[in-house]
Formats: sequence, C-alpha cells, structure tokens
Amino acid sequence: DAKTTQPTSMDCAEGRAANLPCNHSTISGNEYVYWYRQIHSQGPQYIIHGLKNNETNEMASLIITEDRKSSTLILPHATLRDTAVYYCIVDYGGSQGNLIFGKGTKLSVKP
Amino acid sequence: DTAVSQTPKYLVTQMGNDKSIKCEQNLGHDTMYWYKQDSKKFLKIMFSYNNKELIINETVPNRFSPKSPDKAHLNLHINSLELGDSAVYFCASTPRGFDEQYFGPGTRLTVT
Repeated sequence: DAKTTQPTSMDCAEGRAANLPCNHSTISGNEYVYWYRQIHSQGPQYIIHGLKNNETNEMASLIITEDRKSSTLILPHATLRDTAVYYCIVDYGGSQGNLIFGKGTKLSVKP
Repeated sequence: DTAVSQTPKYLVTQMGNDKSIKCEQNLGHDTMYWYKQDSKKFLKIMFSYNNKELIINETVPNRFSPKSPDKAHLNLHINSLELGDSAVYFCASTPRGFDEQYFGPGTRLTVT
C-alpha cells in the first residue's frame, strides 16, 4: 500500500503557482520522496525527488518539512499542459526502486 | 529518439491466448520494470529486473513472465490471457534504483 496521502483533486488558475500537498507521516530515515505525474493516456513522468533538503529543478520545487512527515510540490507558473494526475511516492530507493503509486491528485489548470 | 519504447501500442485478443509485449530502452540503464494500470487507474509494479537479476512481485500470477534477451530489452509474455488482464501496461527503466524512472508510452491490452 502507498505510504502517502494526497487530496483527490485540486484546481489552479493558469499562470499561478500550484501547491500540491502530500502527507507521509510514516516515512523512515532512508526513504526518498518522489513526485511523478501522468498526463492523460501517457506514461508517468518523473518530476523531482528529495530526501531531507528542499529541491528545485526546471520543472518544480519540492519543499520537505523538517520532520519529513509532509511535503509540497510547487509548480511556480502552472500552464494548461500541467493538467495531470500528480503522484507523491515514498520509496527507500534501493536496488529494486519499486515505486508504489497511490491515487494521486488530479490537478486541473484552468484558463 | 524515443528513450523507452513499447510495442504494440494496442493489443486486442481473446481469452486463453498467449501474447507478448516488447519493451526497449536506449538509455543504457541497468534496471527495467513492468507496471500495470487497471481500469480504475491504479498503477502497480509487477516486476523489476536489474542486471539479469529478476525480482518477482508475489502478487503477479505465474502466467506473466518477463524475458530479457539483453540489458536493453525486457519483454512481457502472458499465457492463457484472462478478462482481468485487460489494462494498460507500462515499461520503465532507471540507471539506479533511486534515480528517476523513465516510462514508456504504454500498451493497452484488451482481452475479449
């Protein structure tokens, strides 16, 4: 079972920041937080991952709380193409790296 | 160039048949995976395969068998297809277990 809890759906206005929360209160010390998204009918796409520190790349920022029990994915300027299901995944990142996907958050970016 | 490719994109077949789905990655990755996404959109890991070492998920029926002719390919063979096997199957690869995974476009299997 997935170790994360996410809201079922969220709306965001185009051009505004989208902040997607994730709770992972049972995360252990060596588990990473990964974010993927799945645009309709396509394969999942990696966005970002982190362990303890906040991370930023060309797609998004990941803010992890100090106790690591929750995190927020930030899309700084959402576009219509960012409409997708966003998955927050906790994984120990071992040699198997088997991602356990939950239900995710359906983000709808509206004009 | 497509990083992770799958063939076919669509597969319609009858119950009891045996079919294969092919996956190829040109990224030089050591680890490859098969995932299944059912009609309720739940995405579940089926297998991971790391440098010729197959890790089998215990919930997968033994009718499903991954085959890796070389490091760049991980094919999925399914025997005696059942209605419940209808789903979208995704192949993925990664250089290391804790790195990002690259997913293929998916194969939509419909069993009638």
